[in-house]
Amino acid sequence: GIQVEQSPPDLILQEGANSTLRCNFSDSVNNLQWFHQNPWGQLINLFYIPSGTKQNGRLSATTVATERYSLLYISSSQTTDSGVYFCAVAPYSGNTPLVFGKGTRLSVIA
Amino acid sequence: ETGVTQTPRHLVMGMTNKKSLKCEQHLGHNAMYWYKQSAKKPLELMFVYNFKEQTENNSVPSRFSPECPNSSHLFLHLHTLQPEDSALYLCASSPSGKGGTDTQYFGPGTRLTVL
Repeated sequence: GIQVEQSPPDLILQEGANSTLRCNFSDSVNNLQWFHQNPWGQLINLFYIPSGTKQNGRLSATTVATERYSLLYISSSQTTDSGVYFCAVAPYSGNTPLVFGKGTRLSVIA
Repeated sequence: ETGVTQTPRHLVMGMTNKKSLKCEQHLGHNAMYWYKQSAKKPLELMFVYNFKEQTENNSVPSRFSPECPNSSHLFLHLHTLQPEDSALYLCASSPSGKGGTDTQYFGPGTRLTVL
């Protein structure tokens, strides 16, 4: 099946710093989503972005489908950005459910 | 608030108990999902229901039994669990159940501890 690799696995930032999280996937996709899981376990979907670029406040994401990767940018990080960021993809063939990466654990310290 | 609720939020049970987890979505979606998230592991898809019909069962042990009486409600019945079943159980829903293009919305999860 499709493989999803996220990097880095762990990241510690000072408040106000910027960061880039990466998601590589092994096959063509027609669905790619970024999620944030807060320290209490709630998963919030940030972007649906199988291709192109989107922005939402301090967060933006870019997916280069032809090169099979996606990037999540966090600017001016805040302590509330802490948690785990997951990338999830569904391959182009058929109606298969999302496959999740192992996530990037982000800690933003004041 | 994502429009997906789960109860209970925390559950402690013995290996001989029977309990049920409940999920309800208020989004008008047609697909619902159960995931298991163990410590230091990626999310594992357990079951998928589309229009109340089960369409995915990822080799889940029979001690986990799902039930989907309608498109808004999903249950996970638990019996004779093992300590390694302790995990965060997440419910999600999506508009059409077409994994290729759907956006999933997650509930807050039930943290299960099996003693």
